[in-house]
Amino acid sequence: AQRVTQPEKLLSVFKGAPVELKCNYSYSGSPELFWYVQYSRQRLQLLLRHISRESIKGFTADLNKGETSFHLKKPFAQEEDSAMYYCALSGREYGNKLVFGAGTILRVKS
Amino acid sequence: KAGVTQTPRYLIKTRGQQVTLSCSPISGHRSVSWYQQTPGQGLQFLFEYFSETQRNKGNFPGRFSGRQFSNSRSEMNVSTLELGDSALYLCASRAMADETQYFGPGTRLLVL
Repeated sequence: AQRVTQPEKLLSVFKGAPVELKCNYSYSGSPELFWYVQYSRQRLQLLLRHISRESIKGFTADLNKGETSFHLKKPFAQEEDSAMYYCALSGREYGNKLVFGAGTILRVKS
Repeated sequence: KAGVTQTPRYLIKTRGQQVTLSCSPISGHRSVSWYQQTPGQGLQFLFEYFSETQRNKGNFPGRFSGRQFSNSRSEMNVSTLELGDSALYLCASRAMADETQYFGPGTRLLVL
């Protein structure tokens, strides 16, 4: 079965503090992992995917197959990072549909 | 390139009615997927269409159906609306060589 777990509904940090949004998954096969972000009144947009291994807006995420995790990290949070973050997976074994976690609201306080 | 567009953006219907939502994918994208977003259930996959054929279907009742046209535009239909169908319906398109899905702004449906 495919499942994505984001244990925190809300993560509140101060500006300049490090951020780590947790994501764990279960999947039989080779999944692709994604982080999507939804800013206030904007559409859901891709933040990053594990195969590209790039840093977007200072965020990085490493796929840990042993721990089945794909945590999102940023060393210094900015106020404009406040948004809803969704971890998601897809895989050819299940027809490429995206399976989303419940999402984590990141609130960056000044 | 223009992004994914969805019409209408907002809809109010009453129980028992039916509704049709429309999605235009990014130019060149032939795969269109639909998702339902609710506060209680989060984002859930409805179905995917490619080249006018349904390729994958989520765990939703038969009242939810869709289709895709030759220009890749897609429509989603919900018949016999229930209160629980109130949600944001998102459409996403992708290029076949890419796993990344690009989302539209959504259609917010309220069933009274």
